[in-house]
Amino acid sequence: GENVEQHPSTLSVQEGDSAVIKCTYSDSASNYFPWYKQELGKGPQLIIDIRSNVGEKKDQRIAVTLNKTAKHFSLHITETQPEDSAVYFCAATQPNQAGTALIFGKGTTLSVSS
Amino acid sequence: GAGVSQSPRYKVAKRGQDVALRCDPISGHVSLFWYQQALGQGPEFLTYFQNEAQLDKSGLPSDRFFAERPEGSVSTLKIQRTQQEDSAVYLCASSTSSGTGELFFGEGSRLTVL
Repeated sequence: GENVEQHPSTLSVQEGDSAVIKCTYSDSASNYFPWYKQELGKGPQLIIDIRSNVGEKKDQRIAVTLNKTAKHFSLHITETQPEDSAVYFCAATQPNQAGTALIFGKGTTLSVSS
Repeated sequence: GAGVSQSPRYKVAKRGQDVALRCDPISGHVSLFWYQQALGQGPEFLTYFQNEAQLDKSGLPSDRFFAERPEGSVSTLKIQRTQQEDSAVYLCASSTSSGTGELFFGEGSRLTVL
């Protein structure tokens, strides 16, 4: 089955700096790669996603890049703000005949200090 | 309601007790997923429903775990004879699609087994 590795596990940046989180996946058949943000005591919330027919996608301060050959994808947050502090999870589909459950990485705790 | 609703939010059980966790998905959402999130970890897939059909239960850790969605709306995750290793947050998510689209998560049910 699919396996998703995520790095780093913790990331501390100054307000205004950029933050980059990287993930690798194992199953070349995976074709959907979302990123979720989880605040304390809340459920994860989708912030951006990318499909395998696209190399890069941007939404304001957030961008995601995908390299299918190398089986890795990254989240880029520019001009970080204190409210960006949270746990971020990457995920990939687990393609199978029954459904398409998401397989999550272990998460990155991002701390933005002002 | 506007979002995915889970109850109870917190449950403390003595080892060996049975527990039932409820998920009320967003109205009209066809797909429903259960995930288990241990402290400091990413969500781990448990099971997936499309309407009332349980299409994937490959993530259920043992036969003590059972999930149902009899009318294709509300779902219940039941854990029999709870063990300490069952302590985790149980997240429910729903989606309009089969999974390669946004998952809307509830806030989770935190289970503590003493």
